[in-house]
Formats: sequence, C-alpha cells, structure tokens
Amino acid sequence: SQTIHQWPATLVQPVGSPLSLECTVEGTSNPNLYWYRQAAGRGLQLLFYSVGIGQISSEVPQNLSASRPQDRQFILSSKKLLLSDSGFYLCAWSVGVSSTATEAFFGQGTRLTVV
Amino acid sequence: GNSVTQMEGPVTLSEEAFLTINCTYTATGYPSLFWYVQYPGEGLQLLLKATKADDKGSNKGFEATYRKETTSFHLEKGSVQVSDSAVYFCALRAGGSNYKLTFGKGTLLTVNP
Repeated sequence: SQTIHQWPATLVQPVGSPLSLECTVEGTSNPNLYWYRQAAGRGLQLLFYSVGIGQISSEVPQNLSASRPQDRQFILSSKKLLLSDSGFYLCAWSVGVSSTATEAFFGQGTRLTVV
Repeated sequence: GNSVTQMEGPVTLSEEAFLTINCTYTATGYPSLFWYVQYPGEGLQLLLKATKADDKGSNKGFEATYRKETTSFHLEKGSVQVSDSAVYFCALRAGGSNYKLTFGKGTLLTVNP
C-alpha cells in the first residue's frame, strides 16, 4: 500500500531563517506531488506541483521554492522566512496518469510558526 | 477557470441532527468531484468522490450526488455524531495539463452531544 510521510510535524522558526520541509511517498512510482498551504481560517492554497523529477510548477509568487531531487521526494524550502509564511503545510500525491478521477492523498501536515 | 464554492461555517449541530453542506462548482469539461475531511491537527482524508454526472459517492454515512444540471455536490448525513466534528472541503479535478485539485474554503462542523 502507498504511504506518505511528511516532517517535521511542528516547527518554530525565527524570521529570516531558512526552511526545509520534506515529503516522501512509498509504494508508488512517478506520482504527481503537491505542496499546499493552509493559513488560519482559510482554505487550501496550492503552492507547487510536480509531475516528474526536476519538474516544478509554481502556482503563486512567494518566498518559497520547491524541489524534487528523487521520484518520490518533494522538498519545500525558503532562504529567509517571513512572518507571513506561518501556516499549515500539506504535502500530497496522486497517481501520475492523465485522469480526473484520481484523488490526492495527503500527509499529516507541518505546522510552521515564524516568530 | 475552475472554482468551488461551499457554504461558509461554522456549522453547529446537535448529535443525531441532519447535516447538509452545500457545494457548487464551475469547471470546464467534466470534472470529478470530491469531499475531504480534516480532523483537528491532521491532514486531509478523502471522504467520498463521484466521477460523472448522477453518480452518488458515499462513505461512513455521508452521501453526495454529482448534479451536473445544478453544478452541485452537496454533502449530507442523516444523523451526525460528535466524532464527525471536523472541517469539510469540497474539491474538483478537471481536465487540463496538470489535473490538480481545486478546493473550496472549507466548512467547520461542530457536533455537540
């Protein structure tokens, strides 16, 4: 069966510090990978998605970047965190086929607080 | 573009009450529709889905029917429990270059004993 791991679960970082959140998927190959952010009291905002190694698409301009160094690894990074980067970050994957019927599977999330 | 609009909460019900959370969508082509649930401090879990018009998705007593004529996918449950307290998200996936999910803003449900 497929599983998705996301860590750390919680993180408190000072303004201006770097960030690295990691997500890995097991039990599947060539998945589509996604990073979402959920700000307090708001819905889900898609930040990045990837359909293959080294292929990253950004949905919104921001202080963050993403990388996919391996097929089942997706990393969210920042060189200098801002207060506005605080939120709940969710990694997700879906089967990498051209179908609208496939759902996405989510990790447990990382609660990031920038202080 | 694609969009999902769901009723804003919070919704507060007593145990065993009937639940409806409205969801309407705008999309090109023929999207698939999903309901996800998020329990406090956790990620999202798929609750149910429907992939074509008139399909009914169901799981754990929850149901939603894909209504193309009204572009709706309302979530219903006949008798809610305290354990159903969570945030519910309606979402769609439409054809395109990346097939990403588009989410509504979520509806917080609180069920009191």
